[in-house]
Amino acid sequence: DTEVTQTPKHLVMGMTNKKSLKCEQHMGHRAMYWYKQKAKKPPELMFVYSYEKLSINESVPSRFSPECPNSSLLNLHLHALQPEDSALYLCASSQESTGTGVHEQYFGPGTRLTVT
Amino acid sequence: GQSLEQPSEVTAVEGAIVQINCTYQTSGFYGLSWYQQHDGGAPTFLSYNALDGLEETGRFSSFLSRSDSYGYLLLQELQMKDSASYFCASFTGGFKTIFGAGTRLFVKA
Repeated sequence: DTEVTQTPKHLVMGMTNKKSLKCEQHMGHRAMYWYKQKAKKPPELMFVYSYEKLSINESVPSRFSPECPNSSLLNLHLHALQPEDSALYLCASSQESTGTGVHEQYFGPGTRLTVT
Repeated sequence: GQSLEQPSEVTAVEGAIVQINCTYQTSGFYGLSWYQQHDGGAPTFLSYNALDGLEETGRFSSFLSRSDSYGYLLLQELQMKDSASYFCASFTGGFKTIFGAGTRLFVKA
């Protein structure tokens, strides 16, 4: 199974709502990532978890809160978002656990988020 | 600063060969990856070069020259389904990957 799944596929939320994005992988990968991608732009790294511990936070606003309940699951909790946060949110995982060597990331299909 | 530069668009005909170049300026460079992304889809890993030279995977090859901070993706026997965006990405260690702006490849019949 080389699949990363994400739910929901689409999400529309108001600026006062609280919602969560979910990501799951069963490849035994120990690193999991959240990226944000705007239309016609590259993915931008938001967070990295390694062995269920937060390894990287790319100065993401606190209205985005990541959580890694176990090695297979990754959540992104959303609260008080702004319209400019509308984007495709991609989850990825990788097997490389030491930060060196071949670095292949497997991406999920993404959640297309619209903030109204 | 950290930057990767690649052409914004490339057009080629079916059956042809196309090369997408990438120059990078990043600190802590470990290697260069290439990803393909179709419209509405997720990025898909194509190749990774940690050492200088050419890596071949089927119709796709990737090259890296560390001394020139330069790499390229070579696509042979182009097919219509190769129309997509292609991103070069610098792996800077510690799980951090920085993506270039992407090259949109249009394959014409």
